[in-house]
Amino acid sequence: QKEVEQNSGPLSVPEGAIASLNCTYSDRGSQSFFWYRQYSGKSPELIMFIYSNGDKEDGRFTAQLNKASQYVSLLIRDSQPSDSATYLCAVRRGKLIFGQGTELSVKP
Amino acid sequence: DGGITQSPKYLFRKEGQNVTLSCEQNLNHDAMYWYRQDPGQGLRLIYYSQIVNDFQKGDIAEGYSVSREKKESFPLTVTSAQKNPTAFYLCASSPGPTRAGELFFGEGSRLTVL
Repeated sequence: QKEVEQNSGPLSVPEGAIASLNCTYSDRGSQSFFWYRQYSGKSPELIMFIYSNGDKEDGRFTAQLNKASQYVSLLIRDSQPSDSATYLCAVRRGKLIFGQGTELSVKP
Repeated sequence: DGGITQSPKYLFRKEGQNVTLSCEQNLNHDAMYWYRQDPGQGLRLIYYSQIVNDFQKGDIAEGYSVSREKKESFPLTVTSAQKNPTAFYLCASSPGPTRAGELFFGEGSRLTVL
């Protein structure tokens, strides 16, 4: 079992829809959770982090954490073609572990 | 503007050669990291450093070496012992121990072995 698992996709959604990206992790002691966005050929950039159970909203992005079920998700409301990228989930307990990423494609 | 500068952006190497990738930051961050990314894969940690003159091996350190003589600089050498060095190399820094997962990345260096 991988320490951090993501569906590699591609996930395709129409413009204006909600994109839902999911991530599961194996270490119950994980303390903090991060979402990075990576455009093709570019380096990752941090878009959200969450430390406590529940939801955290930042503009069109919402991170959701459920420690009991060991998953963290990222919702993107009103998806735009510019959101098309690979989204990397990262989980930290001591060291930071990255998932392989989910490719999102938003179709106009 | 603060940030992380990596160079070169593209590098070609013949088998058997060592190459050094540069990473400089002016964010005043204590911690710096080197990651490797292969197509369709997540990031794998090569080396990290939390303070000057100290660094630790990550998950895939074999065939790589680093130094941290200055806070701003964390160069990575890919040695001839690295069996499959073709990859996208990313340098990152973070503000401190309580924010260790909040990484700021450079633009990356793409190494191709001919």
